[in-house]
Amino acid sequence: DTAVSQTPKYLVTQMGNDKSIKCEQNLGHDTMYWYKQDSKKFLKIMFSYNNKELIINETVPNRFSPKSPDKAHLNLHINSLELGDSAVYFCASSQRGTSGGNEQFFGPGTRLTVL
Amino acid sequence: DAKTTQPPSMDCAEGRAANLPCNHSTISGNEYVYWYRQIHSQGPQYIIHGLKNNETNEMASLIITEDRKSSTLILPHATLRDTAVYYCIALDRGSTLGRLYFGRGTQLTVWP
Repeated sequence: DTAVSQTPKYLVTQMGNDKSIKCEQNLGHDTMYWYKQDSKKFLKIMFSYNNKELIINETVPNRFSPKSPDKAHLNLHINSLELGDSAVYFCASSQRGTSGGNEQFFGPGTRLTVL
Repeated sequence: DAKTTQPPSMDCAEGRAANLPCNHSTISGNEYVYWYRQIHSQGPQYIIHGLKNNETNEMASLIITEDRKSSTLILPHATLRDTAVYYCIALDRGSTLGRLYFGRGTQLTVWP
C-alpha cells in the first residue's frame, strides 16, 4: 500500500550512460517533486510539477529532464551521466491546495552510483 | 525564507521526552515553522507545522515562543525508532510553491 514509490531502488551505471528513475504516487496529490541528496547528506530540491506542469526548476543541468505523463507519475531521465550525479534521489508528492503543498510525502529513494 | 539554526546532535534516553530546539530569529509574520525527520536511508517524513500557536498531533508537539523567534519539537516518549535527523524549516506557505530547503538538521540518537 505504498504511497510514493520509486524504481529502481539501486542503480549502478557507467559514466556517459543515460538512465531513468520512475516515481508514482497513489495519494491523489496534484504536485510532485524530485530532490537530490548528495554524499554530504544535503537534501536539495531539483524540480516540481503541478498538474503535469513544471513549476520549479532549481538550476539543474539540462542533462536532467523530468517528465510527467500524468498527475500520478513523475519520471526523471538523466543523459550523459557524470560521477557527480552519484547521489540518492527522492521523489515526493503533496496537495498544493492544502497549505501550499509543504506537507510532502517522500518515496524511499533511488541510490544512483556512477562509475 | 528565514534561516533556521539547530544543534548538530542531541541524545535522549528511551521513554523520556526529546526536546529539539530551533532558532528562527528572522522569521516573518507569514512564515510557518515545519518539522521533518529522516530516518537513516529513508525518505524524509513530515512531522508537524505551526504558525504561532502550539500544535500537537499523534507524532509530536510543537511549541513556538510568543515572539516566534524559536520553537521546540517535543517527542513525548522517545523510542529507538525516533533516532533520525530532524529538520526545522521556516517558510512562507503562499510563495514557496512547496520548495523545501533542508539544512543540516539535528541528529537525534535515542539510547536504550
